[in-house]
Amino acid sequence: EVQLVESGGGLVKPGGSLRLSCAASGFTFSSYSMNWVRQAPGKGLEWVSSISSSSSYIYYADSVKGRFTISRDNAKNSLYLQMNSLRAEDTAVYYCATKGYSYGYHFDYWGQGTLVTVSS
Amino acid sequence: QTVVTQEPSFSVSPGGTVTLTCGLSSGSVSTSYYPSWYQQTPGQAPRTLIYSTNTRSSGVPDRFSGSILGNKAALTITGAQADDESDYYCVLYMGSGSFVVFGGGTKLTVL
Repeated sequence: EVQLVESGGGLVKPGGSLRLSCAASGFTFSSYSMNWVRQAPGKGLEWVSSISSSSSYIYYADSVKGRFTISRDNAKNSLYLQMNSLRAEDTAVYYCATKGYSYGYHFDYWGQGTLVTVSS
Repeated sequence: QTVVTQEPSFSVSPGGTVTLTCGLSSGSVSTSYYPSWYQQTPGQAPRTLIYSTNTRSSGVPDRFSGSILGNKAALTITGAQADDESDYYCVLYMGSGSFVVFGGGTKLTVL
């Protein structure tokens, strides 16, 4: 059974930093691209960042480019999101998700999310 | 900036059929955008329904179907049930530019 478990969320002041983790199990983590998707309170889903299986290709939404860094450790079956210079508008539940096995791009399996609150 | 458009809300009667759409602020949606659809109930993680326009994800009942209708991607639910009351999001694959973009979501009410 595929499992994705996010951790590392919490309360942080504006301008602060936080590192999210996503522990994966039940599939061959090193073979799949991975993603972070977020959802602000009462708002819709927003794609944040994606990383290919070998970390060769990395993409960011304009809203986080230059502040967030996605990475992965295939030996530890883990995905990370380093978030710096946090703003109030980064407050959201952050989900990690696998890329589905198909042409194009879609999200397949999802974690339950971790809440990040940016507030003074 | 690419904007993916969805109806903010829709309602359907139990047993009825509803079609939700996913368009572009500029241009037409085609299979080249590999549209996908996700269902989310409050407090829960999203669930993948449809990918690559019309392929159902594992375990998704065949009441859910995807297509291209005119210049938009479409999600059709036939025989709507009470537990279909959810938010539905589409995603379009834009390639190396915007990469992937979510629509704003449609809140579906079954009543």
